Amino acid sequence: ETGVTQSPTHLIKTRGQQVTLRCSSQSGHNTVSWYQQALGQGPQFIFQYYREEENGRGNFPPRFSGLQFPNYSSELNVNALELDDSALYLCASSPDPNTDTQYFGPGTRLTVL
Amino acid sequence: GQQVMQIPQYQHVQEGEDFTTYCNSSTTLSNIQWYKQRPGGHPVFLIQLVKSGEVKKQKRLTFQFGEAKKNSSLHITATQTTDVGTYFCAGHNNNDMRFGAGTRLTVKP
Repeated sequence: ETGVTQSPTHLIKTRGQQVTLRCSSQSGHNTVSWYQQALGQGPQFIFQYYREEENGRGNFPPRFSGLQFPNYSSELNVNALELDDSALYLCASSPDPNTDTQYFGPGTRLTVL
Repeated sequence: GQQVMQIPQYQHVQEGEDFTTYCNSSTTLSNIQWYKQRPGGHPVFLIQLVKSGEVKKQKRLTFQFGEAKKNSSLHITATQTTDVGTYFCAGHNNNDMRFGAGTRLTVKP
């Protein structure tokens, strides 16, 4: 396994609610990226954090926000949930932002009703 | 912006047959990575290609990066049931990483 953990594993929310997903990076990794994977699709890049600062962002609205903590763990927050937000949310850590290899966690399956 | 297309979307083979998935980018890439995702699992890194025309092998898997660094392929020789899963390419360029939609491989014993 990669040593990247995520919580919770599954989550059910209703439209309009807010959700926080958590990720613990592999030991020694200071860079974490978040992805959204809809059913039958490839992962879509949401954003990346390096040393507690956002280091790149994909084409996602501002209601998707994140945090990285001094221990390099990370959170993904989504406000005003929409039905289309239902997906598998993956975090991936890497030793530094210049290393492209991503070590993925098991993901959080979010269902929005 | 950069787009990464992957074909075919699905491939069903008889065990022992070969399998190939192709990846094409709309822009020149600095590198390309391949990942495998088992059903219900998460993507697992397989390999990274960086150089133009690069070819790498991992046992029965052969990875190629095109001369123009805009396309790549993954070829599996003599598939086994353990090869089942979805294979994704991910193109990297200027801090922008885009995954293809994946090729889902099923193998009939």
